[in-house]
Amino acid sequence: GAVVSQHPSWVICKSGTSVKIECRSLDFQATTMFWYRQFPKQSLMLMATSNEGSKATYEQGVEKDKFLINHASLTLSTLTVTSAHPEDSSFYICSASPGDEKLFFGSGTQLSVL
Amino acid sequence: AQTVTQSQPEMSVQEAETVTLSCTYDTSESDYYLFWYKQPPSRQMILVIRQEAYKQQNATENRFSVNFQKAAKSFSLKISDSQLGDAAMYFCAYKWDDMRFGAGTRLTVKP
Repeated sequence: GAVVSQHPSWVICKSGTSVKIECRSLDFQATTMFWYRQFPKQSLMLMATSNEGSKATYEQGVEKDKFLINHASLTLSTLTVTSAHPEDSSFYICSASPGDEKLFFGSGTQLSVL
Repeated sequence: AQTVTQSQPEMSVQEAETVTLSCTYDTSESDYYLFWYKQPPSRQMILVIRQEAYKQQNATENRFSVNFQKAAKSFSLKISDSQLGDAAMYFCAYKWDDMRFGAGTRLTVKP
C-alpha cells in the first residue's frame, strides 16, 4: 500500500522556538495533503488542507501565521509551528491523497513545548 | 457543514463475540465516502473499511462489515469474532472534499 512518511516522530522544544514537521508521500504523488491535530483521548481535528503549488486553506480558528504550511512539491508538505507555546503541545498527523477518495496517514508527530 | 457523530465513547466485547459501533453523519451531498479507521496505542491510523455512498451494498472486509443506511445517514461497524488485537480507538469518518472524523469509540476486548 501507499506509504506516507512523517518526521520527526516526536520533538521537544523550548517556548518561543519554531518547529518544522515534514510529510512525504513515498510512492505516489499527493495532489492534496491534510494536517490534523489530536489532543489526548480526542478525535482528529482538521487544521488545514494544502494543494501543491497553492496556498493552504485553514479551518476556522486555526491561525495561519502560527501554523505555516508549505506544499512545494507533489510529494512533500511541511507544517511549521512558529513561536511555539505549551498550548501548542499536541499530536500532529498528516495525510495525503493521490487524488481519489483514498487518504493515507503519516505516523504522527508528538510535539511537546516546554 | 458536515458533521460525524459517534455516540458511544466506550464499548466492551467478549473475545469471539460480536460488537457494533454506531456512527451517524450529516451532509447535504449525495455522493461521498464513509470510512472506519482504527487507532491503536501506536496512534497510527489504520483503515478498517470503506463505503461509497452511491453503492447500496454494504462493504465487508473479513470480520468487519458495515450497515450503511443512506436515508438515515447512519454507518455502523460490526466486528465479528472479536479478537484481542481489535482493541483500539475506532473513528468513523466522512469524506467529500476533505475528511472529517467522529469523536471516536474506545473498544475493549475481554479475554
